[in-house]
Amino acid sequence: AQKVTQAQTEISVVEKEDVTLDCVYETRDTTYYLFWYKQPPSGELVFLIRRNSFDEQNEISGRYSWNFQKSTSSFNFTITASQVVDSAVYFCALSGGSQGNLIFGKGTKLSVKP
Amino acid sequence: DARVTQTPRHKVTEMGQEVTMRCQPILGHNTVFWYRQTMMQGLELLAYFRNRAPLDDSGMPKDRFSAEMPDATLATLKIQPSEPRDSAVYFCASGLVFIQTDQRSINQPQHFGDGTRLSIL
Repeated sequence: AQKVTQAQTEISVVEKEDVTLDCVYETRDTTYYLFWYKQPPSGELVFLIRRNSFDEQNEISGRYSWNFQKSTSSFNFTITASQVVDSAVYFCALSGGSQGNLIFGKGTKLSVKP
Repeated sequence: DARVTQTPRHKVTEMGQEVTMRCQPILGHNTVFWYRQTMMQGLELLAYFRNRAPLDDSGMPKDRFSAEMPDATLATLKIQPSEPRDSAVYFCASGLVFIQTDQRSINQPQHFGDGTRLSIL
């Protein structure tokens, strides 16, 4: 079975702090994809990153970085120097097999206070 | 930028009424998904289509929900009759999924519409 666990339900930080959102996944597929999506208060789901299971290189995009470790089945997301606009619910998701559908974690609500 | 378009954005109706939600996927995407988001269950897959053919609707209550894709530019999700427990945000997403000869898939990112916020009174 496939499963995504985001153990942190809510995180609150003060602006300019760094924050890491944890994601642990379970799958029997040898080829799979991991994603992060952002859901701001307005409600839409915004794609942030996709990583395939053969690429364990970490990725940095501006203040965002992602750490993928197959050994621990984790795909963690770090925001450096957080800003109020980063306040949102962040979802980690898994896609594997031949289906293509996303299995979502429950999400982590991040509140960044000025 | 190409976007997935969903209508209506909001729908309030009384239980027992038929509800139809529509989705225009991004041109060129071969897979269309319907997800539902509730506080209790989070984001869950209802159904999806590839090249307009239904592949999986096991997430839908079969007796009242139906999903169709009459053409490549339109996907619909219908609820008849609606019940208060159907109140949720319904998202449509589209993406490209390539199936290799070894049956492994290459899954491009799914792009989501803004959702339909459905309230059944």
